[in-house]
Amino acid sequence: DAGITQSPRHKVTETGTPVTLRCHQTENHRYMYWYRQDPGHGLRLIHYSYGVKDTDKGEVSDGYSVSRSKTEDFLLTLESATSSQTSVYFCAISPDLDSPLHFGNGTRLTVT
Amino acid sequence: AQTVTQSQPEMSVQEAETVTLSCTYDTSESDYYLFWYKQPPSRQMILVIRQEAYKQQNATENRFSVNFQKAAKSFSLKISDSQLGDAAMYFCAYTALLQGAQKLVFGQGTRLTINP
Repeated sequence: DAGITQSPRHKVTETGTPVTLRCHQTENHRYMYWYRQDPGHGLRLIHYSYGVKDTDKGEVSDGYSVSRSKTEDFLLTLESATSSQTSVYFCAISPDLDSPLHFGNGTRLTVT
Repeated sequence: AQTVTQSQPEMSVQEAETVTLSCTYDTSESDYYLFWYKQPPSRQMILVIRQEAYKQQNATENRFSVNFQKAAKSFSLKISDSQLGDAAMYFCAYTALLQGAQKLVFGQGTRLTINP
């Protein structure tokens, strides 16, 4: 979808390895979010950013870190992947607190 | 903590008929937004409709409308004249205002099947 790109689309990794997922936007939106989607749980917020170098934790932040060194990129890092982090990860963006979130196409991560 | 509950894991409807998906939520906040998102097999999350809690009028978007009952904390989605392209997972979501970000809380989803 134009405006927001997640990479990679799919990834398989082994337990204990570091993994970084990337969210890139071309909309110059201030807010960026990382969610994970698991069966039976809908989507749950991991971390979010409200500006360059400004981030905060969401509902399920344990085991994850984020960075935002420039407006267009929001990185999600799993320092040491575990099988419980097998999930589909979605990035979302919005220009302000009133506009609805626009989601990327997701990254399917499998930790073996 | 806020919670969102969708009590119908699956629903089905005949093409051209009307179907209603249910959603209830729990919050102590007075200012918030409610959403319905659609997720087709492509995995894309697509906004269907949004309701501001301060508005008494129910939101509508073409064939999609909501029944927002604030006192009952109920937010159902009605799809009229169902089309094959409406088949998808539907998620109800909530976010309080004045918390520095749109921290959406999602329900578990309802899988909607359209029978031709």
